[in-house]
Amino acid sequence: LAKTTQPISMDSYEGQEVNITCSHNNIATNDYITWYQQFPSQGPRFIIQGYKTKVTNEVASLFIPADRKSSTLSLPRVSLSDTAVYYCLVGDIRQNQGGKLIFGQGTELSVKP
Amino acid sequence: EAQVTQNPRYLITVTGKKLTVTCSQNMNHEYMSWYRQDPGLGLRQIYYSMNVEVTDKGDVPEGYKVSRKEKRNFPLILESPSPNQTSLYFCASSLSLRGSGGANVLTFGAGSRLTVL
Repeated sequence: LAKTTQPISMDSYEGQEVNITCSHNNIATNDYITWYQQFPSQGPRFIIQGYKTKVTNEVASLFIPADRKSSTLSLPRVSLSDTAVYYCLVGDIRQNQGGKLIFGQGTELSVKP
Repeated sequence: EAQVTQNPRYLITVTGKKLTVTCSQNMNHEYMSWYRQDPGLGLRQIYYSMNVEVTDKGDVPEGYKVSRKEKRNFPLILESPSPNQTSLYFCASSLSLRGSGGANVLTFGAGSRLTVL
């Protein structure tokens, strides 16, 4: 089962682009890469998911290189409200693929004015 | 509103006194799971369930039990709580799709903060 490694913390300023990288050297062929955002006293919230190459939605972009051993969450033009903990998750809970999921330790992003 | 509901949100108990944390979802999700969150350790999976009557251990199952008798409910049982089970607990659910895509889109509950004295 893939284990993930993320930076413990990052600092940024409003309006900057933030890139958070997650390493997952042992990712399995069927594993998906998913990122979550968590604010204090709340449950994590889904941000974005991908399998390979690049995925973009209204909130973020996710870059996955060809070997899939890492992934980078990109948050464009962050604001103070983006201050949160970001978790990288690797796994696959589809039927017949197992259901065990391993989260990274999370990256605490602090956005300053 | 589609949601995962956990109860209680806060609980202080004593060592050895059995307790149950309930989790219910209204989205007809097949997959449900429990996590504990501790400072510096992130989220760790305790148990998961792929469907009714199908449960399996996550990374830290010791001291916990679960059951899945109905699709919507997935209670977490601490038969004899100990102080090292003091933690913030989250329940989550997801569609367990048979095709490609959407593999790990979890909806989390608001959390249950448990203190064992």
